[in-house]
Amino acid sequence: QKEVEQNSGPLSVPEGAIASLNCTYSDRGSQSFFWYRQYSGKSPELIMFIYSNGDKEDGRFTAQLNKASQYVSLLIRDSQPSDSATYLCAVTRLTGGGNKLTFGTGTQLKVEL
Amino acid sequence: DTEVTQTPKHLVMGMTNKKSLKCEQHMGHRAMYWYKQKAKKPPELMFVYSYEKLSINESVPSRFSPECPNSSLLNLHLHALQPEDSALYLCASSQEPPGNSGNTIYFGEGSWLTVV
Repeated sequence: QKEVEQNSGPLSVPEGAIASLNCTYSDRGSQSFFWYRQYSGKSPELIMFIYSNGDKEDGRFTAQLNKASQYVSLLIRDSQPSDSATYLCAVTRLTGGGNKLTFGTGTQLKVEL
Repeated sequence: DTEVTQTPKHLVMGMTNKKSLKCEQHMGHRAMYWYKQKAKKPPELMFVYSYEKLSINESVPSRFSPECPNSSLLNLHLHALQPEDSALYLCASSQEPPGNSGNTIYFGEGSWLTVV
């Protein structure tokens, strides 16, 4: 079982719609949860982080965390063509050696005109 | 704009060359990381430095040698690489010890490495 799992997509949504991206993780000791956006040929860019159960909103983005189900999601409202990218879910565990961030394989999002 | 700066942005090297990738951050972070990313794959952790000491080595081959001269700088020395080592190398940093900020890890723009 992979530590962090995402559907690779592509997920296609029309402009203005809500895009829903999902992620599950296997380690119950995971502490913090991140969503990064990565455009082709660029480095990952932090979109949001969440570490408590529930919802966290930032502009058009809402992250949702359910630790009991080991599930984290990202909702993008009013999707724009500029949101087309790969979205990487990542989780951290504090190990004896330090803060370890593990990525899922990413979901490719395509927002169509 | 990212506050983690990586140089060079692009590097082409032969299999017998010795080169280095450099990373600098001025956010006062005490943890720094090297990740490797191949095309259409997620970033994979290579090394973690915590308070300038190597704390995690993910069984990386010795042809990759990290160095942390001070809390703001991180180097990755490269020697006798193979063509399959061609990838995007990402440096990142975060606060230590963990806090309620969620230990956010910030990435630099990466160094594209091609081994010929």
